[in-house]
Amino acid sequence: DVKVTQSSRYLVKRTGEKVFLECVQDMDHENMFWYRQDPGLGLRLIYFSYDVKMKEKGDIPEGYSVSREKKERFSLILESASTNQTSMYLCASRGRGRAYEQYFGPGTRLTVT
Amino acid sequence: AQKVTQAQTEISVVEKEDVTLDCVYETRDTTYYLFWYKQPPSGELVFLIRRNSFDEQNEISGRYSWNFQKSTSSFNFTITASQVVDSAVYFCALRSRIQGAQKLVFGQGTRLTINP
Repeated sequence: DVKVTQSSRYLVKRTGEKVFLECVQDMDHENMFWYRQDPGLGLRLIYFSYDVKMKEKGDIPEGYSVSREKKERFSLILESASTNQTSMYLCASRGRGRAYEQYFGPGTRLTVT
Repeated sequence: AQKVTQAQTEISVVEKEDVTLDCVYETRDTTYYLFWYKQPPSGELVFLIRRNSFDEQNEISGRYSWNFQKSTSSFNFTITASQVVDSAVYFCALRSRIQGAQKLVFGQGTRLTINP
């Protein structure tokens, strides 16, 4: 079974802090994604990566950056956390090819106070 | 523009009732994929089904069935004889080449509550 893990289920940070959210997948997938989920808005894509050291902006990249130094790991970075970044963050991975579905991690609920 | 609309924000039914979750999509592409995901209270999205745009055959899997109609750009999901364990948020999603094969566009989600 595909396994996507995220470093924390719950996280509380202060405004202005630098925050790292880590995601690891064990299926040798090329593609990895970071979404945020907010009520009434569904899931919105922040960034994705289709290979090591490669990244592309999604629909809402402002205030975020990412890092993919190894194939299995994709990190989301909030350079200076703000209260409007309080949200559920979901990581996903997918194998190469259009037909494959994305596999999701359990999510990290981040609260910025 | 790519768009997925799930007009039903919340649905609440009594156990054993049938329930249909609506999904309407927009895309200019002729080749695309549609998905349904389930998000139980634990938070992890679980893949339920994928359909490609060339396959309009409806699908049944146990108590779950999906009705794909290109003429109305809809991909509806029906649960027959609902159970409490079906309570979750359900997301419909679209992926097409125009948007980029990498991206999934999600609907807003429908929160389904099955009451005993």
